[in-house]
Amino acid sequence: GQNIDQPTEMTATEGAIVQINCTYQTSGFNGLFWYQQHAGEAPTFLSYNVLDGLEEKGRFSSFLSRSKGYSYLLLKELQMKDSASYLCAVDNYGQNFVFGPGTRLSVLP
Amino acid sequence: GAGVSQSPRYKVAKRGQDVALRCDPISGHVSLFWYQQALGQGPEFLTYFQNEAQLDKSGLPSDRFFAERPEGSVSTLKIQRTQQEDSAVYLCASSLAGGPAYEQYFGPGTRLTVT
Repeated sequence: GQNIDQPTEMTATEGAIVQINCTYQTSGFNGLFWYQQHAGEAPTFLSYNVLDGLEEKGRFSSFLSRSKGYSYLLLKELQMKDSASYLCAVDNYGQNFVFGPGTRLSVLP
Repeated sequence: GAGVSQSPRYKVAKRGQDVALRCDPISGHVSLFWYQQALGQGPEFLTYFQNEAQLDKSGLPSDRFFAERPEGSVSTLKIQRTQQEDSAVYLCASSLAGGPAYEQYFGPGTRLTVT
């Protein structure tokens, strides 16, 4: 079966660092994506991990451990505009694309 | 350049009506995906096209849902005899190469409300 878990909600303070975790159990695995989705808008691409390790891109980094079925998205120097939902999604061996439920992040002043 | 566009942006249908939702992908994008997103949830996969071929329709919830992409560009998602549980945002996404292992570019979605 397909199962992707993320925390439902998180709150952090402007300027802080936050880590959003994602665990997955899927019938196939060819890579993991992170998307950001502001309320009422379309998801936008943040990162893609296919190999174990950390991928850094500016204030955002994403980590993957294939053996543990685990990923996290790290957001540094939080800004108010980072308040959004963060979706992890597994590329299921080219068969389809499975999204997690999303983590709603609120950044407080 | 132009992104993925979807029309209409909002649709209200009476229960039992048929609806058709349109997606214009980014020009040259081979792959096209449809997703259904309920409020507060992540998108759920419905179906996937590579050019005009529908390679996966395992996510379509019932035989009332039908998707096509006859010329490998514009796609239409049709829902027959709409039910209240069909109320959701329908997202379309396209990607440059074949297969989901590439960044997907999403359209703004069509919010369907069935009354």
